[in-house]
Amino acid sequence: AQSVTQLDSHVSVSEGTPVLLRCNYSSSYSPSLFWYVQHPNKGLQLLLKYTSAATLVKGINGFEAEFKKSETSFHLTKPSAHMSDAAEYFCVVSVTPGANNLFFGTGTRLTVIP
Amino acid sequence: DSGVTQTPKHLITATGQRVTLRCSPRSGDLSVYWYQQSLDQGLQFLIQYYNGEERAKGNILERFSAQQFPDLHSELNLSSLELGDSALYFCASSHGQGGYYNEQFFGPGTRLTVL
Repeated sequence: AQSVTQLDSHVSVSEGTPVLLRCNYSSSYSPSLFWYVQHPNKGLQLLLKYTSAATLVKGINGFEAEFKKSETSFHLTKPSAHMSDAAEYFCVVSVTPGANNLFFGTGTRLTVIP
Repeated sequence: DSGVTQTPKHLITATGQRVTLRCSPRSGDLSVYWYQQSLDQGLQFLIQYYNGEERAKGNILERFSAQQFPDLHSELNLSSLELGDSALYFCASSHGQGGYYNEQFFGPGTRLTVL
């Protein structure tokens, strides 16, 4: 079975400080992993995705994530938080080429303090 | 803007009623997915259509049904509505059938409130 666990339901950082949002996955196969962001009253936007190419994936808005198979992790980072980063972030797994649905984590709400 | 459109933005109705949510995928995308986002259940996959045919089913209730039309737009029908059906319903689309390389693009959602 496949699943994804976001270790923190809420993360609060000061503007200009680093962001770390943690995600662990469980999968019987080599997964594809995604991070999506949801701003208040908006739909979900793809930040970045890992599909077995480079283990360090760069996304939009300065975010990046590193796939670590030995730790079954796909943590999302950003060197310096901006006020506009305040949103809900979802770690998502899609397993096997034949699987069509995405499994979403429970989300991490990021608050950025001015 | 993802290119996926959903109507209506908001819907308020009463228990026992039936509603239809509409989704238009991005130009060229053949797959449409429906998701439900609620406070207690989080984001859950409901159903996927690919080029007019049902492709995958998730946690979709029997009271709910969907279809994809020849022009590729999709409708999600929710009937015998209950208070617990109040949620944000998202539609997403992708070019292919899904899985590894077919990232999904999400619409802005329809907020359903059942009173």
